[in-house]
Amino acid sequence: NAGVTQTPKFRVLKTGQSMTLLCAQDMNHEYMYWYRQDPGMGLRLIHYSVGEGTTAKGEVPDGYNVSRLKKQNFLLGLESAAPSQTSVYFCASSPTGEIEKLFFGSGTQLSVL
Amino acid sequence: GQNIDQPTEMTATEGAIVQINCTYQTSGFNGLFWYQQHAGEAPTFLSYNVLDGLEEKGRFSSFLSRSKGYSYLLLKELQMKDSASYLCAVRDPNAGKSTFGDGTTLTVKP
Repeated sequence: NAGVTQTPKFRVLKTGQSMTLLCAQDMNHEYMYWYRQDPGMGLRLIHYSVGEGTTAKGEVPDGYNVSRLKKQNFLLGLESAAPSQTSVYFCASSPTGEIEKLFFGSGTQLSVL
Repeated sequence: GQNIDQPTEMTATEGAIVQINCTYQTSGFNGLFWYQQHAGEAPTFLSYNVLDGLEEKGRFSSFLSRSKGYSYLLLKELQMKDSASYLCAVRDPNAGKSTFGDGTTLTVKP
């Protein structure tokens, strides 16, 4: 039982490049989330999904897109990376009956030069 | 919107008790929860309060007063491994959206 798996763990991009962060969970959770965390700050919600085929905007959605084609996967895309998107990205999931209990992946450190 | 305030840093001594406060002002409320995050790691769930009062889980307890927009996390018998950041978060009634505070970095000293 792997829980929540994120790939890659580290990535360096040049301004304007695109990339996709992958998140997979094997706990059959309905809810999935993408957060970013900047130094000394809490987690800010980028996008989330309440089920397969659905997505919704969080606090800081600009510059990101997401897709939830399969229940177990939640993809975060950056179409044209900017230095302001340098951050640690966390994916999380939660079960329907306990949506307050987030299970986090180990994070992706992204640097945009 | 949501506004959540926590102290930035706290220091305590091994074996002591420490209380980390969290105040919130929100347009909607459907529960408050606490997470622990060690440096360089992912957050892990500690507690969830939806009704007023104290919830106890071993060395950790969490208190909520909805009328005051106030919560605290109480850590007893502090251990060195309790050195971490503690994040307070409020759940929006629009299920699926939760707002996190900036976290309180706790340093436990011998």
